[in-house]
Amino acid sequence: DSGVTQTPKHLITATGQRVTLRCSPRSGDLSVYWYQQSLDQGLQFLIQYYNGEERAKGNILERFSAQQFPDLHSELNLSSLELGDSALYFCASSPNPDQPQHFGDGTRLSIL
Amino acid sequence: GENVEQHPSTLSVQEGDSAVIKCTYSDSASNYFPWYKQELGKGPQLIIDIRSNVGEKKDQRIAVTLNKTAKHFSLHITETQPEDSAVYFCAASKGTGSYQLTFGKGTKLSVIP
Repeated sequence: DSGVTQTPKHLITATGQRVTLRCSPRSGDLSVYWYQQSLDQGLQFLIQYYNGEERAKGNILERFSAQQFPDLHSELNLSSLELGDSALYFCASSPNPDQPQHFGDGTRLSIL
Repeated sequence: GENVEQHPSTLSVQEGDSAVIKCTYSDSASNYFPWYKQELGKGPQLIIDIRSNVGEKKDQRIAVTLNKTAKHFSLHITETQPEDSAVYFCAASKGTGSYQLTFGKGTKLSVIP
């Protein structure tokens, strides 16, 4: 158990809908990262937050957004969902950006 | 941006044998190289990492080597056991303001009892 908690574990929805994925980092970790894992693209970095502020952006679509709250949990919002958004979404956390990242068990998103 | 190539994509070994997985990276500014193990239905689990100021690091049956000149790094697992069966990912990060990990495509390791 990495100590990173992601909810829900599974999410099934339809095209055009909006969903919110939640991540609670390990106790004491200030930095949160979101990754997408798909069969064709592999594991890809989406976005990073540190102590509430956005620090880095990767291949994140404009339809996706995220935030980190004062209690350090983070949410990833996906809107106008398309079939191609079906993937595993992982959250990782670290004490600060220069420390190793530990991953949660992910949210499996299925778009029907 | 950074590109990480990983091979082989699949690897089968007999229990007790060694397994080696290799990765190359493109950005010479990368300085942090972790390895993750992912089991079915689970998230990637950090198993070992190395920074660019070190050439080799060992943790029991697992070792990682880094060749900065050639821009490649390798994972070595000795005395493999069935529970080592999983998908292994290498990754690279530049650090210093750019800590996101760029992952290889993964290696599915099967240890045959």
